[in-house]
Amino acid sequence: DAGITQSPRHKVTETGTPVTLRCHQTENHRYMYWYRQDPGHGLRLIHYSYGVKDTDKGEVSDGYSVSRSKTEDFLLTLESATSSQTSVYFCATSRDSLIGAFFGQGTRLTVV
Amino acid sequence: QQPVQSPQAVILREGEDAVINCSSSKALYSVHWYRQKHGEAPVFLMILLKGGEQKGHEKISASFNEKKQQSSLYLTASQLSYSGTYFCGTHGAGSYQLTFGKGTKLSVIP
Repeated sequence: DAGITQSPRHKVTETGTPVTLRCHQTENHRYMYWYRQDPGHGLRLIHYSYGVKDTDKGEVSDGYSVSRSKTEDFLLTLESATSSQTSVYFCATSRDSLIGAFFGQGTRLTVV
Repeated sequence: QQPVQSPQAVILREGEDAVINCSSSKALYSVHWYRQKHGEAPVFLMILLKGGEQKGHEKISASFNEKKQQSSLYLTASQLSYSGTYFCGTHGAGSYQLTFGKGTKLSVIP
């Protein structure tokens, strides 16, 4: 399995504050993804990256930004957290689009 | 746009078979299947590329009909360990996006 570490694993934050979640991988995978998981919605793609400094929006990108300055790190920032962004966030990585993706253990974010 | 999975949930007794379907309105290049246990991260099961191939993983296999943009996951002689939520993920042609459906919750009971 790929070495994927998400940090923090749990976070409680207040509405209106910025929050950054980190995904770190040790497998030199090219592709990295951020998803949020909510009951009834499955896994929804927020942003993804197909290389260093190459990122694009997914289906639920409003209120989120990302950065990837080096292969191993993919950061997700909630610019001004809202209660609707309370969710479990998963990072996933893949070496190639023809190969399956590996998921991190998730970050549970609560916005109060 | 998320692919559509059906059914949303299914309950099986050990030894019974099940089929989970995944369809997309977009032209697909590949279909992935994942299983997620409660409180854990999704785990990759298999990937199918366009060409209508069928793959197997233990007693779990899948097919991909690229003309219909549909994939099916077949679970035969189900075991208790098969319980979980199954997700299909799709790559569109020429796209780097990996987009998932809402999942199918499978419960296997003794």
